[in-house]
Amino acid sequence: DAGVIQSPRHEVTEMGQEVTLRCKPISGHDYLFWYRQTMMRGLELLIYFNNNVPIDDSGMPEDRFSAKMPNASFSTLKIQPSEPRDSAVYFCASRISGGAVEQFFGPGTRLTVL
Amino acid sequence: GEDVEQSLFLSVREGDSSVINCTYTDSSSTYLYWYKQEPGAGLQLLTYIFSNMDMKQDQRLTVLLNKKDKHLSLRIADTQTGDSAIYFCAESSGSARQLTFGSGTQLTVLP
Repeated sequence: DAGVIQSPRHEVTEMGQEVTLRCKPISGHDYLFWYRQTMMRGLELLIYFNNNVPIDDSGMPEDRFSAKMPNASFSTLKIQPSEPRDSAVYFCASRISGGAVEQFFGPGTRLTVL
Repeated sequence: GEDVEQSLFLSVREGDSSVINCTYTDSSSTYLYWYKQEPGAGLQLLTYIFSNMDMKQDQRLTVLLNKKDKHLSLRIADTQTGDSAIYFCAESSGSARQLTFGSGTQLTVLP
């Protein structure tokens, strides 16, 4: 398996633009997590899905952020409109339910909002 | 809410042992983890320990858990320059096992 795939790897945009980050989890994994990494706040959970259903979005910073999972192999995290303080590395991770312990992380998308 | 704390920096000489410490507050944590992040890369799981264990050894890595004090440590024996990275402590609880991370410890291995 190719692991968790994220695109784009780098995104530079201007304040006010819409940004869409994409994630393909490992096939067969039924949990999908979005995390954000910043110098100020470290790694924080934004939202997670189970079987394509959003379960906990309490970490989503504000209404400008939205996430969807239309099917088991694809998720998006959208920021509209983007602001400079959204600049961060966004990670997607997936896990299989049951006894599995490990979350597998993608390489991340480095977002810069100018 | 849950909180996980780590010291920010550690420097060691190549060949020495490294010990990275972590404290957490959530007494319901079921698993505790150590992740490694190299520059520009994602997070790689190094090892984990179940909360009812007090030690786990995996090759050069030794994890010690003091559940009473909510203290976790990672010892890396014979530290190499390739071990230079950021090490994150994390805890999980609940059925989803979503992770709460510490701030990360930047390990620098000097030749």
